[in-house]
Amino acid sequence: GAGVSQTPSNKVTEKGKYVELRCDPISGHTALYWYRQSLGQGPEFLIYFQGTGAADDSGLPNDRFFAVRPEGSVSTLKIQRTERGDSAVYLCASSLRPGHPTEAFFGQGTRLTVV
Amino acid sequence: AQTVTQSQPEMSVQEAETVTLSCTYDTSENNYYLFWYKQPPSRQMILVIRQEAYKQQNATENRFSVNFQKAAKSFSLKISDSQLGDTAMYFCAFAPTGANSKLTFGKGITLSVRP
Repeated sequence: GAGVSQTPSNKVTEKGKYVELRCDPISGHTALYWYRQSLGQGPEFLIYFQGTGAADDSGLPNDRFFAVRPEGSVSTLKIQRTERGDSAVYLCASSLRPGHPTEAFFGQGTRLTVV
Repeated sequence: AQTVTQSQPEMSVQEAETVTLSCTYDTSENNYYLFWYKQPPSRQMILVIRQEAYKQQNATENRFSVNFQKAAKSFSLKISDSQLGDTAMYFCAFAPTGANSKLTFGKGITLSVRP
């Protein structure tokens, strides 16, 4: 596609529910990043994929958060047993070359609201 | 670990005037990149300008320029001839060079351009 696409644009869920957030990177981009942006804050790193594997998942806050990229393209961020503190904008970015966030292109994010 | 500090939460500037946004950072890395990103209400992070730490010359992109002071770990953004479309959140960010590099963002600053 022309840019990084994230769906849904907005998601409202009840506390305790499970959610999935999807990221379609730019075609051919091997590196994919997830960031979380809480209200009034800058984005914080969650996880980085190089191809199909998670090269760095050090930013995932706890074991309720999990992400996959089974075919090295689309990625899904999964959050179990959602809490109100998970409310944030979840941003995805992709870049052509692994280890080069300098060339990363961002999607428009998914705003997750946990009520 | 790296930290990026943006101490000004918001600024306002008259259209056509010049404004400077401040950023400081802390790192033990010797080779890295610094960035300014713009985030309009659409939420998409847009790269404004990038500076490579090994380059002494300050980066310039049309109306946008930086003042990079490596010894002081300072990286400010100057916007000349401000336009209404410059109204947005601006984030300073850092990324080391090398494999598995990722972006570390500051808290951001809200810039309002007055007509």
